[in-house]
Amino acid sequence: DVKVTQSSRYLVKRTGEKVFLECVQDMDHENMFWYRQDPGLGLRLIYFSYDVKMKEKGDIPEGYSVSREKKERFSLILESASTNQTSMYLCASSRAGTRNTEAFFGQGTRLTVV
Amino acid sequence: DAKTTQPTSMDCAEGRAANLPCNHSTISGNEYVYWYRQIHSQGPQYIIHGLKNNETNEMASLIITEDRKSSTLILPHATLRDTAVYYCIVRVGHNNDMRFGAGTRLTVKP
Repeated sequence: DVKVTQSSRYLVKRTGEKVFLECVQDMDHENMFWYRQDPGLGLRLIYFSYDVKMKEKGDIPEGYSVSREKKERFSLILESASTNQTSMYLCASSRAGTRNTEAFFGQGTRLTVV
Repeated sequence: DAKTTQPTSMDCAEGRAANLPCNHSTISGNEYVYWYRQIHSQGPQYIIHGLKNNETNEMASLIITEDRKSSTLILPHATLRDTAVYYCIVRVGHNNDMRFGAGTRLTVKP
């Protein structure tokens, strides 16, 4: 069974903390994505990576950075967490080079910043 | 980039077919239509995708019109567990990043 695993299901962090959200996939996929999901706003793309050490900004990259040191792992970093970053965060992965391939999602990390 | 339009919500009786429409009138010739669903508090789950031909798998069928400007996802015998938000997506971007719209909230009723 294919797997995208996010390190935490629930997280509570304080304002100003540096937060790391980790995502690991076991499908040898080139593409990996981070989204956040908020009520009424749907899923919004934060960053994606198409190869190790490669990244591109999505629609809402402000306040976030990412790291992809290994193919299977994609980290989302909140340099200084703020309350408006309280959200559900979703990681996904897919093969590259074709549009004829589905993306697989993790179960999500619900982050609360207090 | 091709955008999609879906109804905000739909109801379906348990055991009946659920037909979820999607409009993608600006779709390009090489763009695929994907369907995902999201059950409350879980990650989106892939359902099916297609380019121009109708597709069927164990979960659903996808009917794409000949001009490719719209499609319909069919759940042949809806169950209560099919209650979810259903997203129709056209893959865009040079790295195939996926943009999700608001989706259709399907409620299957007993």
